[in-house]
Amino acid sequence: AQRVTQPEKLLSVFKGAPVELKCNYSYSGSPELFWYVQYSRQRLQLLLRHISRESIKGFTADLNKGETSFHLKKPFAQEEDSAMYYCALPNAGGTSYGKLTFGQGTILTVHP
Amino acid sequence: DAGITQSPRHKVTETGTPVTLRCHQTENHRYMYWYRQDPGHGLRLIHYSYGVKDTDKGEVSDGYSVSRSKTEDFLLTLESATSSQTSVYFCAISEGTYGYTFGSGTRLTVV
Repeated sequence: AQRVTQPEKLLSVFKGAPVELKCNYSYSGSPELFWYVQYSRQRLQLLLRHISRESIKGFTADLNKGETSFHLKKPFAQEEDSAMYYCALPNAGGTSYGKLTFGQGTILTVHP
Repeated sequence: DAGITQSPRHKVTETGTPVTLRCHQTENHRYMYWYRQDPGHGLRLIHYSYGVKDTDKGEVSDGYSVSRSKTEDFLLTLESATSSQTSVYFCAISEGTYGYTFGSGTRLTVV
């Protein structure tokens, strides 16, 4: 079964510092991975999809199949980046019905 | 407008009472999901729907039931609420390959 692991529950950095939120996965086949973000008391929203290879709000994520990782990175963190971040992976199989499996989430705090 | 709304936003209920949460979408998406969000557990799938009257269990379905009589509505019912069901509940919709759009969540407290 597929699994998503976010090893850090909490991550603190100072404004302007680089930030990396880790995500490791187990999946048979070529996965499409997502990062979702939840700002304080707001709904979760899609931050980026690996397949689109976009950079949203300065964040990027590279799929590393060898290390089975999809870490989220930003070179210069901003205070407004403080949020909960979830990595997500589609369920495998032909009848997955679009289901996603989420990691446990990482709370990022950017200090001034 | 994200095209998906949840009601109520907050609810406090007593142990043993039935509770129904509603998810309404205006996007005509085929798939709908209910998740619960708990510290240390992330988001866990409760039930999902792949069409009108087509539903199935997720990983934490015990104590929950769902119904989908119309494309736009997906109801989550706690038959007899317990304190362990105190959580934030999120509804999500999808067309299958593009990820989810989430509702704003329902904060449920069972006392």
